[in-house]
Amino acid sequence: DTGVSQDPRHKITKRGQNVTFRCDPISEHNRLYWYRQTLGQGPEFLTYFQNEAQLEKSRLLSDRFSAERPKGSFSTLEIQRTEQGDSAMYLCASSLSPTYNEQFFGPGTRLTVL
Amino acid sequence: AQSVTQLDSQVPVFEEAPVELRCNYSSSVSVYLFWYVQYPNQGLQLLLKYLSGSTLVESINGFEAEFNKSQTSFHLRKPSVHISDTAEYFCAVRTYPNFGNEKLTFGTGTRLTIIP
Repeated sequence: DTGVSQDPRHKITKRGQNVTFRCDPISEHNRLYWYRQTLGQGPEFLTYFQNEAQLEKSRLLSDRFSAERPKGSFSTLEIQRTEQGDSAMYLCASSLSPTYNEQFFGPGTRLTVL
Repeated sequence: AQSVTQLDSQVPVFEEAPVELRCNYSSSVSVYLFWYVQYPNQGLQLLLKYLSGSTLVESINGFEAEFNKSQTSFHLRKPSVHISDTAEYFCAVRTYPNFGNEKLTFGTGTRLTIIP
């Protein structure tokens, strides 16, 4: 299967700890997106990369959040000093130019902050 | 900024009955429209999309949606549902021209439950 993969699938951490998630997009997809989904809500956009450049960030992405895509392939999302409000499903998606092409979503990483 | 409203959080329907899942959007510029489906324990999958042209779009599994610009709606319909259609359905929009705005804006989702 060559879909979008995310690791880990589940993460339980204590408040104040740092966590890092990884996303591997579909091969050759130049666009990569991060979304967050809380219970009972639809996914909310966090940030977007075209190749290695981070082109757009949501106001939801506080200073404790940082995302990278160093070589234009996989991406990492790090949350520092986690808070209980960070508990959510973190979704990664990828797409290929042009802009109207479908975003393919990964299975998500479920974060629980105790 | 754009927004999406899905009026029904849960819709129970008897098997082989028709269903309509409602979606309304708000945007000051033109939009692309999408329906995504999330089956239990699976990731989001694109069901269908409207980019331009015919306002009626269809999926391979019998769903259809019609873009109504005057009513700013993109309701999803199926004439006869099956047990396998049980899932959560999300309506989403993306504005264009993009000028760097690549994000999808999702509604809160509608959980479709098929009753045997």
